[in-house]
Amino acid sequence: QVQLQESGPGLVKSSQTLSLTCTVSGGSISSGDYYWSWIRQSPGKGLEWIGYIHYTGSTYYNPSRESRVTMSVDTSKNQFSLKLSSVTAADTAVYFCARGDYNIVTGYYALDYWGQGTLVTVSS
Amino acid sequence: SYELTQPPSVSVSPGQTASITCSGDNLGEKYVSWYQQKPGQAPQLVIYQDTKRPSGIPERFSGSNSGNTATLTISGTQAMDETDYFCQAWDSNTAVFGTGTKVTVL
Repeated sequence: QVQLQESGPGLVKSSQTLSLTCTVSGGSISSGDYYWSWIRQSPGKGLEWIGYIHYTGSTYYNPSRESRVTMSVDTSKNQFSLKLSSVTAADTAVYFCARGDYNIVTGYYALDYWGQGTLVTVSS
Repeated sequence: SYELTQPPSVSVSPGQTASITCSGDNLGEKYVSWYQQKPGQAPQLVIYQDTKRPSGIPERFSGSNSGNTATLTISGTQAMDETDYFCQAWDSNTAVFGTGTKVTVL
C-alpha cells in the first residue's frame, strides 16, 4: 500500500518561500509511470491543482501559478518537493501531495493515493 | 481556463439514490474522476475513467459521462456517504477540479 506524507513549516512569512516535502513509502517513486503531484485547498474552499513531477524530473505546473512554483524529486530518498515563492495570505491552504496516474495519449489523469495534507499559514 | 460546475448541495433520504452532476464544455470527450472528501481528511478517489471503481470502493458508487455532463450516482445512500464530493478532469495539460458538492443524508 502506497503512503504519502507531507512535511514542512506550518507557518511562512509573507513574501518568503513556502517549502514542502512529500515522502513516499510502500513503493518506489521511480517505479511505474506515475506523476507525483501537489494540490492545495484554501480553508473552506475547493481543490486547486498546483502541478506534477515525474521521477525523471519532468515537470508541469498550473499556468496560473507557474511563475512561482518549483518542484524537484530525490529518488534516493523517495521524496519529492514543492517550493512556492513570494507567498501572500492567499497562499494559506492545506497542501496535499498525491500520486497521479496519467496517460498522455488518452488524457486520463487521476489521483489515486493522497497524503493527509498539511496546513500552511502565511503570516504578515 | 476550463471550468467544472457542480451543485453546491444535494439532499437524499437514507436508502435512496443521490445524483451529483459535474458540467463542463464537451466534458464527455474527457475522462472524469470523482473524489470523496470527509472533514479533515484527504480526498479519496471513488470513480476514475468516468465509470471505474478503485479497489475497496463500494458498488453503490457509479459514474457516467456524456455530452457536457458527468454524473456520480450513489445508490442506497448511507449516512456515512454524507460529505463533500469533487469531480476532476484533465484539460490543456492541467487538472481541473469541480466546485464541489455537499451531500446531505436526511
